Amino acid sequence: NAGVTQTPKFQVLKTGQSMTLQCAQDMNHEYMSWYRQDPGMGLRLIHYSVGAGITDQGEVPNGYNVSRSTTEDFPLRLLSAAPSQTSVYFCASSRGTSGGYRADTQYFGPGTRLTVL
Amino acid sequence: GNSVTQMEGPVTLSEEAFLTINCTYTATGYPSLFWYVQYPGEGLQLLLKATKADDKGSNKGFEATYRKETTSFHLEKGSVQVSDSAVYFCALSNAGGTSYGKLTFGQGTILTVHP
Repeated sequence: NAGVTQTPKFQVLKTGQSMTLQCAQDMNHEYMSWYRQDPGMGLRLIHYSVGAGITDQGEVPNGYNVSRSTTEDFPLRLLSAAPSQTSVYFCASSRGTSGGYRADTQYFGPGTRLTVL
Repeated sequence: GNSVTQMEGPVTLSEEAFLTINCTYTATGYPSLFWYVQYPGEGLQLLLKATKADDKGSNKGFEATYRKETTSFHLEKGSVQVSDSAVYFCALSNAGGTSYGKLTFGQGTILTVHP
């Protein structure tokens, strides 16, 4: 299993450009999520999905869109990049809590380092 | 809402020293608690977890005990190695129902171990 994969590893954008960060998992996990990591702030949840066709907002959703057309893929779209979106982005997946899995271990991808100039 | 507070870093230790990283939390209900570790240039990986009060999670010589009375989940290791240098994150999840285990993270603690 490849686990959780993310592309690209690094990206530089100019203010106002758009782009899509890709995330895929091969563990048949129901739950997928996007976090951003900023110095001194830990990881903050951007958007999450509990299954194909179902997405919801996390703590910091503004400026980002997501969709979940398949179980495997969960892309994150930046509509009009801003310098405040300079960050490291992590995708994660886990089994859902339906079926009695109380401890939801999340598996993280290697991250995408995004710089917006 | 949920929140996690970790001790401020960075923490610098000599090899074979004792490590404690404090973590306290605020949450409704009965959360699950986690420690994740991030090695340089990598994503996060689960280090250990505990799902109910008085549970002890352990892995690779690290331990943490879920203390509901003090709302704490402090990470300890008796003898650190240079290879333990990393960023450590405490996190909680209110699993169950329809919450689907969304994680709330602390701010992270940078650990550097010198030979």
